This record gives sequence, C-alpha cells and structure tokens, in this order.
Amino acid sequence: GAGVSQSPSNKVTEKGKDVELRCDPISGHTALYWYRQSLGQGLEFLIYFQGNSAPDKSGLPSDRFSAERTGGSVSTLTIQRTQQEDSAVYLCASSWGQGAGNTIYFGEGSWLTVV
Amino acid sequence: AQKITQTQPGMFVQEKEAVTLDCTYDTSDQSYGLFWYKQPSSGEMIFLIYQGSYDEQNATEGRYSLNFQKARKSANLVISASQLGDSAMYFCAMDNPWAGTALIFGKGTTLSVSS
Repeated sequence: GAGVSQSPSNKVTEKGKDVELRCDPISGHTALYWYRQSLGQGLEFLIYFQGNSAPDKSGLPSDRFSAERTGGSVSTLTIQRTQQEDSAVYLCASSWGQGAGNTIYFGEGSWLTVV
Repeated sequence: AQKITQTQPGMFVQEKEAVTLDCTYDTSDQSYGLFWYKQPSSGEMIFLIYQGSYDEQNATEGRYSLNFQKARKSANLVISASQLGDSAMYFCAMDNPWAGTALIFGKGTTLSVSS
C-alpha cells in the first residue's frame, strides 16, 4: 500500500479481554516497529522486527504483550488480559532497513481504550 | 543505554521568528543517527530531518536545520521563519542500526506559534 496501515483505528475493550492490533507496513520495507504513546506523552518503544525476527523486544512492558510478524510483512501486536493502563495509541512504523538515515514512516495508530 | 533528553516541555514563538528546540542524547556508541519528527494535533508522525553521527555538515531541510554538536552530544532543531502550521509536538530521536537498536524518542516539546 501507499503508507503504513493499522487496524483497528479505534478499539474499546473491557478490562481482562485480549486484543489484537494489526500493522501492514509499506511494501518492501524490511524493518517494522511498534511504539506506544499515552495521551500527551512521548513514544515508548515496544519491539522492532527485521524481517520476521525481533532483534530488540526490550520495550515490551510485560509478558501480557507479544508480537509476531509473518512473511516479512504484516505484524500483529497482542495484548492479553488488558488493563486500564494499557490504554494508549499504539503506533506502527516501517522502513527499508536500518541505518544511513532510512526514514521511518508511521501509521496513524490504533487508539486502544480499556474500560 | 541510549537516552534522549528534551528539557523544554513547551515553547512559544511568534510568526516569522526563529526558534530552537533543544535535544541532548547519551550514547557510548560511535555510530548513530539523529532524527526530528513533528506530531501535529492530528496525531500523525512526520519526519523532518536526519543527521548521521559521522556527518560533518549540519543537516538542513528547507526551514529546518539541525545544529549538531557532537562533543556536547546535542542535536538541536532550528526552525527559521516560524509559521502557524508549525504548532505541534516535536520529538528528537536516535537509533544505532549498527548495534541493532531501534529508534528511541525523547519526551517531546510542544511548540506554539502565534500571530
């Protein structure tokens, strides 16, 4: 596609339920990133993929969070047993690779509200 | 560990004036990349400018320039001739692709441009 596509754009879920957030990167981009942004705050790094492998998953806040990427393309971020503090915008980004100023392009985010 | 610090939570400037947004970083790596992103109220993340750690010249992109002072570990963004549309949140970010670390962000600076 023309840009990074994320779905759903908005999700309201009950505390304790599982949610899946999907990211479809720009075609041909090998690097894919997930970030979380709480209201009015900076971006918190969660995980990044190079191809299908995740060299850096240091930002995942707890074992309730997991992510996978298949076929070097689409990625899914799963949050199990959601808590209210999980409410945030989840941003996905992609780039051709890393280094030499490879510009990272962001999607419009998935707004998650846990009630 | 790498760290980005933006000490100005908010900045105010009048149209047509220049403004400098501060960014300092901490890394033990010799090779790294520095970025600035703009996030308007719509929430999208817009790439502005990139500086590689080995670039001797300061990066410029239109009205944006990056004042890179490697010894001081600072990468300030200078916006010349501010416009009302520049009102947004601005994030400084850094990566080290050679070490496999993903892009990390500072907490951001909110810029308000008035007429």
